[in-house]
Amino acid sequence: KAGVTQTPRYLIKTRGQQVTLSCSPISGHRSVSWYQQTPGQGLQFLFEYFSETQRNKGNFPGRFSGRQFSNSRSEMNVSTLELGDSALYLCASSNRGGYNEQFFGPGTRLTVL
Amino acid sequence: GQQVMQIPQYQHVQEGEDFTTYCNSSTTLSNIQWYKQRPGGHPVFLIQLVKSGEVKKQKRLTFQFGEAKKNSSLHITATQTTDVGTYFCAGGGNQGGKLIFGQGTELSVKP
Repeated sequence: KAGVTQTPRYLIKTRGQQVTLSCSPISGHRSVSWYQQTPGQGLQFLFEYFSETQRNKGNFPGRFSGRQFSNSRSEMNVSTLELGDSALYLCASSNRGGYNEQFFGPGTRLTVL
Repeated sequence: GQQVMQIPQYQHVQEGEDFTTYCNSSTTLSNIQWYKQRPGGHPVFLIQLVKSGEVKKQKRLTFQFGEAKKNSSLHITATQTTDVGTYFCAGGGNQGGKLIFGQGTELSVKP
């Protein structure tokens, strides 16, 4: 089976812009979770989608949003980018839910200038 | 909210020495998972522990889940350069079904 894929792999944006990241889970996995990874904060949970519904949400501002499509592909959107949003954004899929074994994608490296 | 603390943050060892990282949760967990992230890579699942007092081994790696299901440890015997990376614990099941990751322990191994 193909692994989790994320596009784009690298992104450079300026403050105030918005960005959309995409994640394709492993075939058959219905749960997709998003994490933000920074050197100082480690892996921070953003949200989880399961069968097109947001099932869990972390402590991030409303500028961070997401959605999941009927084919389980997921997108994450960040509006009004801030310098502090620079991070590696990881998507992970699971066949049973967000607190079971997670299969991570390679991540999208976002740099905000 | 639930917090998962992991220590130490960094560990530098000589090849052949042992290594241990510890994970503590502020609340009782339903399970604990361990992941390894190689430099420049993404986290890769190692193992999941579910039962109180559970001990599991994978070759030179030994994983333990505490009796109270609030702490866990990963011990590597006789480290090798291939063990280099950051090891994360992640507690799950008691906060609406989401995984809470520890800060990670970055292991470097000097040949």
